[in-house]
Amino acid sequence: GDSVTQMEGPVTLSEEAFLTINCTYTATGYPSLFWYVQYPGEGLQLLLKATKADDKGSNKGFEATYRKETTSFHLEKGSVQVSDSAVYFCASPGTSYGKLTFGQGTILTVHP
Amino acid sequence: GAGVSQSPRYKVAKRGQDVALRCDPISGHVSLFWYQQALGQGPEFLTYFQNEAQLDKSGLPSDRFFAERPEGSVSTLKIQRTQQEDSAVYLCASSLVRDSSYEQYFGPGTRLTVT
Repeated sequence: GDSVTQMEGPVTLSEEAFLTINCTYTATGYPSLFWYVQYPGEGLQLLLKATKADDKGSNKGFEATYRKETTSFHLEKGSVQVSDSAVYFCASPGTSYGKLTFGQGTILTVHP
Repeated sequence: GAGVSQSPRYKVAKRGQDVALRCDPISGHVSLFWYQQALGQGPEFLTYFQNEAQLDKSGLPSDRFFAERPEGSVSTLKIQRTQQEDSAVYLCASSLVRDSSYEQYFGPGTRLTVT
């Protein structure tokens, strides 16, 4: 079946550092890919998405490019802020109606 | 506008009790999903509704779990004879159309603790 794998372990960075969170997927169809974010005390919200190979999703300074050749959708940001501290989830729909398979989540903590 | 709401936000149940968790999706959204999120994990799919029809219940972990959406709007997830392993956050999400590329809007979740 479909699966999504995120990098292991929490990430701790200083403000203005460069961020990469790796995500790889296996999917047999319905190729949209998503990054969702969960801020402390809040619900999951969509951060960005890409709907086909080579698409780049971007939002709030974050970017991710859908790489079919490496089955990856890594999340990047050039300069993180304290307010970016949250849990980030990579997700892929495994059906035509959008049933999501999530990665295990990556906790990001940004220190001033 | 109003987002997805869930109630209660927190529920403590004694083992063996029945619980009912409510989801109010965004008005007009066709698709409704339930997910279960264990501590430190990503959400896992439970069930899917298109309007009032439950089209996929493959993720329900046992026959103690039951979901309904009788009028195609509000949905209820019911867990009978709760067990400790049912302790988790239950998330509801809705989407405007039945399409894998469309965003799902999540509610804040109901945190269920079974003692």
